[in-house]
Amino acid sequence: AQSVTQPDIHITVSEGASLELRCNYSYGATPYLFWYVQSPGQGLQLLLKYFSGDTLVQGIKGFEAEFKRSQSSFNLRKPSVHWSDAAEYFCAVGARGSSNTGKLIFGQGTTLQVKP
Amino acid sequence: NAGVTQTPKFRVLKTGQSMTLLCAQDMNHEYMYWYRQDPGMGLRLIHYSVGEGTTAKGEVPDGYNVSRLKKQNFLLGLESAAPSQTSVYFCASSYSTGIGYTFGSGTRLTVV
Repeated sequence: AQSVTQPDIHITVSEGASLELRCNYSYGATPYLFWYVQSPGQGLQLLLKYFSGDTLVQGIKGFEAEFKRSQSSFNLRKPSVHWSDAAEYFCAVGARGSSNTGKLIFGQGTTLQVKP
Repeated sequence: NAGVTQTPKFRVLKTGQSMTLLCAQDMNHEYMYWYRQDPGMGLRLIHYSVGEGTTAKGEVPDGYNVSRLKKQNFLLGLESAAPSQTSVYFCASSYSTGIGYTFGSGTRLTVV
């Protein structure tokens, strides 16, 4: 069965510092991979996705993520965090294949706090 | 372009009451999903639909029913609400598989 693990429940970084949020998945083949962001009281917004090809993907708001097949990971990075990046971040995986229903499995989420 | 609209945004129910949550999308998306979000558990799939007239169970379907009579609407029903159904409910839609979802802004439901 597919599963997604975000090992860090809560992360605090200083404004201007770099950020890396971890995501590990369990799946028999290479899945579709996504990162979403949720601001307080809001819905989820798609940051970026990995479909195929280049393993380093660029997203919105200056975020990027790298797919590492050997480590079953899809970590999210940003070189310099802004106070407005404080939010909850979710990693998600989806299956491929002809019977694909588009269902996504979400991780537990990582809450990012940004210190001034 | 409204995207995905959920109504109501907030609701308080008494145990045993019933209600229907409405999700409407104006993007002509085939796929629609209902998730619930609980602290520390991420989002869990309740039910989903791969097209008009179809529905299927997700990870946590017990206590919920759904209908998709029109392509643009996906209804989630609670027949007899329980305190364990206190949660934030999100609807999402997608044009195809593998491209990610568009989410609604959520419905915060409290069952007392």
